[in-house]
Amino acid sequence: EIVLTQSPGTLSLSPGERATLSCRASQSVSSSYLAWYRQKPGQAPRLLIYGASIRATGIPDRFSGSGSGTDFTLTISRLEPEDFAVYYCQQCGSSSLCSFGQGTKLEIK
Amino acid sequence: EVQLVQSGAEVKKPGESLKISCKGSGYSFINYWIGWVRQMPGKGLEWMGIVYPGDSDSRYSPSFEGQVTISADKSTSTASLQWSSLKASDTAMYYCARQLRGESAFDIWGQGTMVTVSS
Repeated sequence: EIVLTQSPGTLSLSPGERATLSCRASQSVSSSYLAWYRQKPGQAPRLLIYGASIRATGIPDRFSGSGSGTDFTLTISRLEPEDFAVYYCQQCGSSSLCSFGQGTKLEIK
Repeated sequence: EVQLVQSGAEVKKPGESLKISCKGSGYSFINYWIGWVRQMPGKGLEWMGIVYPGDSDSRYSPSFEGQVTISADKSTSTASLQWSSLKASDTAMYYCARQLRGESAFDIWGQGTMVTVSS
């Protein structure tokens, strides 16, 4: 089973700053099956990025995803107030089995 | 509008059985995998498994295999998650979500069903 490790656990930044979130896999992951989600308190997660770098419908271009193999990155170019939330990466491997990372909390500095 | 609507919150005792549901609308239900995700209080997301309503094919995370049953009824466009004997450790929010066609990401999520198991 592939384990995803996200870092940092908590990231403290100010609105307007750039955020860089990391997701590292215990073994190589197909880029086609790497996704990122944002979860605000009390809400269901929302898909941001799939296929490692494809923005989901309605997601603004300040969000971008990159990476391959075992190292993936979510970048938020200019933080808006609604971006302060928890972010999860997700991978799916063989037999369509998937897993999530433990999450990165993005908080206001 | 494409949406998944989940059944309401449940309060159960240890050892009881439970089935929660997730009804899809606004799209062809039989052509998309539906998954279930657990979120224990104050914790992260856990991928439980998926089901394909078209033929009821299902896949489970090793962590949940044998602990729950995931199914789908294409006649009612409803996916379900069920337990035969609940434990206190099953207390959590459970989300259903639709998997993007040809991808593995979940693009549409239900609102969540809170399950509380307490004696």
